[in-house]
Amino acid sequence: DTAVSQTPKYLVTQMGNDKSIKCEQNLGHDTMYWYKQDSKKFLKIMFSYNNKELIINETVPNRFSPKSPDKAHLNLHINSLELGDSAVYFCASSQGIIEAFFGQGTRLTVV
Amino acid sequence: GEDVEQSLFLSVREGDSSVINCTYTDSSSTYLYWYKQEPGAGLQLLTYIFSNMDMKQDQRLTVLLNKKDKHLSLRIADTQTGDSAIYFCAESISGNTPLVFGKGTRLSVIA
Repeated sequence: DTAVSQTPKYLVTQMGNDKSIKCEQNLGHDTMYWYKQDSKKFLKIMFSYNNKELIINETVPNRFSPKSPDKAHLNLHINSLELGDSAVYFCASSQGIIEAFFGQGTRLTVV
Repeated sequence: GEDVEQSLFLSVREGDSSVINCTYTDSSSTYLYWYKQEPGAGLQLLTYIFSNMDMKQDQRLTVLLNKKDKHLSLRIADTQTGDSAIYFCAESISGNTPLVFGKGTRLSVIA
């Protein structure tokens, strides 16, 4: 079983559209994250979320919003997509342990 | 703020040792990690070290930590072509805080 799974793996969409990326973890972890990896492979935290608290990286535009229907899911919703949003988005989870488990990534291309 | 620095490229011959270096600025970093990313794939945790340790060895991997200089290194013995990937240094304050990543070192192994 995949520990952290993201769908879709690839997403191509036009500017101005609204899209969502789903993330599910079956590890029972309390904390989930979204990271963005740009074209130069630089990785930055976007959000971290657990039962109690959403922490937003202040550089993330408010067009991006995480939505957590339950503890095992943290979806990423993006409004009014822009060309600069093209990147690979990684979901991850952890719980009071050393290792953060990462999903395989979603490659978003905005055209 | 937190910052993690790595050199961007390293090229070695197959069978040689590779040493990837990393420096960080946050003295409160408790956990330091090395992640590997193969082309088109997600992030795989290779190893980690607590800030109260100087060294950790795991098969072909040796991690050295100089806390005074805030310097972390990853040595890969007997480097193989399958080791070609991007290696990310990362740090966090605790197990449930987001990782701060370096920009990644692209390791190329020449046969």
